[in-house]
Amino acid sequence: DIQMTQSPSSLSASVGDRVTITCRASQTISRYLNWYQQKPGKAPKLVIYTASTLQSGVPSRFSGSGSGTDFTLTISTLQPEDFATYYCQQSYSGPFTFGQGTKVEIK
Amino acid sequence: QVQLQESGPGLVKPSGTLSLTCAVSGGSISTSDWWSWVRQSPGRGLEWVGDIFRTGSTNYNPSLKSRVTISVDKSKNQFSLRLSFVTAADTAVYYCAGLLTSGGRRFDPWGQGTLVTVSS
Repeated sequence: DIQMTQSPSSLSASVGDRVTITCRASQTISRYLNWYQQKPGKAPKLVIYTASTLQSGVPSRFSGSGSGTDFTLTISTLQPEDFATYYCQQSYSGPFTFGQGTKVEIK
Repeated sequence: QVQLQESGPGLVKPSGTLSLTCAVSGGSISTSDWWSWVRQSPGRGLEWVGDIFRTGSTNYNPSLKSRVTISVDKSKNQFSLRLSFVTAADTAVYYCAGLLTSGGRRFDPWGQGTLVTVSS
């Protein structure tokens, strides 16, 4: 199985900050990397797919980059509604696997 | 806009069978090629369980393959999950989701999730 490792596991940030989350795959996954946002008690919500494609309806302050084994999710200007846990997920090969999550908390 | 809703028992006894159904509303189940189940627990995080093509072809997580069955009922616009010989390790929130494939596979949309506890 392809292992997905996110860093950091959690971070504290203020409204207006620029936030970057990193995801590393244990082997190359080309650009088959998705990002999800999850709020407490809710299902994950797709934010970015295929490394850098913004899901319809997601604000443009979210962006993704990377290929091969190293990927990043960036929130350019953190908003109150962005405080959540973010997960990366590889869709390169089965079984599909997720990172352990990065919790973005209010400083 | 397609919406998904999971249903099924919230409590299952050890060694029993977990059975969940995902109802698809707002569109036909045939509008998406693939449908999936994903579960989430504090100890294992998010874990892909398996998926089913609209024709009935399936893919399962090898870690669960011997115990999992996913089926689709197009007449009822729903798909289902059965997980047999459950243990406490199968306690999790179970989500059903669409698996979009055009432009890269990704899970969207998701159901709200349903908590299944394995306990006697």
